Amino acid sequence: EPEVTQTPSHQVTQMGQEVILRCVPISNHLYFYWYRQILGQKVEFLVSFYNNEISEKSEIFDDQFSVERPDGSNFTLKIRSTKLEDSAMYFCASTSGSTNTQYFGPGTRLTVL
Amino acid sequence: SQKIEQNSEALNIQEGKTATLTCNYTNYSPAYLQWYRQDPGRGPVFLLLIRENEKEKRKERLKVTFDTTLKQSLFHITASQPADSATYLCALEMNRDDKIIFGKGTRLHILP
Repeated sequence: EPEVTQTPSHQVTQMGQEVILRCVPISNHLYFYWYRQILGQKVEFLVSFYNNEISEKSEIFDDQFSVERPDGSNFTLKIRSTKLEDSAMYFCASTSGSTNTQYFGPGTRLTVL
Repeated sequence: SQKIEQNSEALNIQEGKTATLTCNYTNYSPAYLQWYRQDPGRGPVFLLLIRENEKEKRKERLKVTFDTTLKQSLFHITASQPADSATYLCALEMNRDDKIIFGKGTRLHILP
């Protein structure tokens, strides 16, 4: 069964550094999402992406964050200058648009020191 | 803004019994209400979706009900097994292909 993949599984970085989290959504899917989950808290929406542009973003998704679909398969989340409070699990999700099911990847654990 | 309450942080159920989890929300009803399973350190896994004009949905040992008057959904696992132990997330999708708004989840422990 097709699945969403994410790399790396764990990223450790110093505060102020840039990180890029990568996702490969399911191949025929059209809608892409990033969510994050701080340890012990709920899963929170960051941004949705459709037709090569952001369709919605949350207040968490400030100028330090950006998303890109550089080719037909990858979907990336960049954090320009990481802060301690960016430490969380980041989940990518995708959906085809013909059903409502969002398929989530296994997540990238980001640790900012 | 929309708030979701899953009113048990943790629930212990004896193996073989039915586990019932509750989800309440404020404000207006979503077009779609969903339930996900999340295991520690893993991403949410979709289980069931119910539309605002549906009252009940079943899939194998799972059953979801949706009452838009009470603004509540109930999630049932019948004949529960230790392998059902996980965190179960209630999630609202206000419109199709919209972002998902998650509740905090209920940690379910099925005791052998």
